[in-house]
Amino acid sequence: AQSVTQLDSQVPVFEEAPVELRCNYSSSVSVYLFWYVQYPNQGLQLLLKYLSGSTLVKGINGFEAEFNKSQTSFHLRKPSVHISDTAEYFCAVSPLGAGANNLFFGTGTRLTVIP
Amino acid sequence: GAGVSQSPRYKVAKRGQDVALRCDPISGHVSLFWYQQALGQGPEFLTYFQNEAQLDKSGLPSDRFFAERPEGSVSTLKIQRTQQEDSAVYLCASSLERPPKNIQYFGAGTRLSVL
Repeated sequence: AQSVTQLDSQVPVFEEAPVELRCNYSSSVSVYLFWYVQYPNQGLQLLLKYLSGSTLVKGINGFEAEFNKSQTSFHLRKPSVHISDTAEYFCAVSPLGAGANNLFFGTGTRLTVIP
Repeated sequence: GAGVSQSPRYKVAKRGQDVALRCDPISGHVSLFWYQQALGQGPEFLTYFQNEAQLDKSGLPSDRFFAERPEGSVSTLKIQRTQQEDSAVYLCASSLERPPKNIQYFGAGTRLSVL
């Protein structure tokens, strides 16, 4: 079975400050890892993904994430946030293996950037 | 179109009514997914199609939920005899590849409110 835990439901941060959104997962098999962003009244948009290779992955809008297998974490970071980064962020895993067809999502973290 | 299109964007139904939600995936995408997103939660998997074949319907919550993709393109999610607990945003996603490595592209969703 798989589960995804996003430890912070809400993260307020001042504009131009750094931010880290935490994600931990549990899985009995290897997984691919994703971060999606959801702006109000819009669908989910892929920020970045980890499939293999370098554990530090860079995505759109200046975001990056690091896969830590020993800690089963995939935290999302940005060194300097902008007002336009205010949105809901979802961590998701896709398990490898027969019959594994879908993404498993965390409950989301609402990032609010304060001017 | 350029992205995944869902209609209607909003649907209000009286309890006991049947509803049909439509998804137009990105042209040429093989895989299509339906997710249910309750308020304050992450999306939860409902069902998966590969072309016209429904390969996984393990997430459908009851036999009142039915999905089809008869020609391997447009998909419809039907909910019969709606209940209040069916109120949620229903998200459709499509991808060019098959799971688990596939990148899923999401529509804006249909917000269903059952009164």
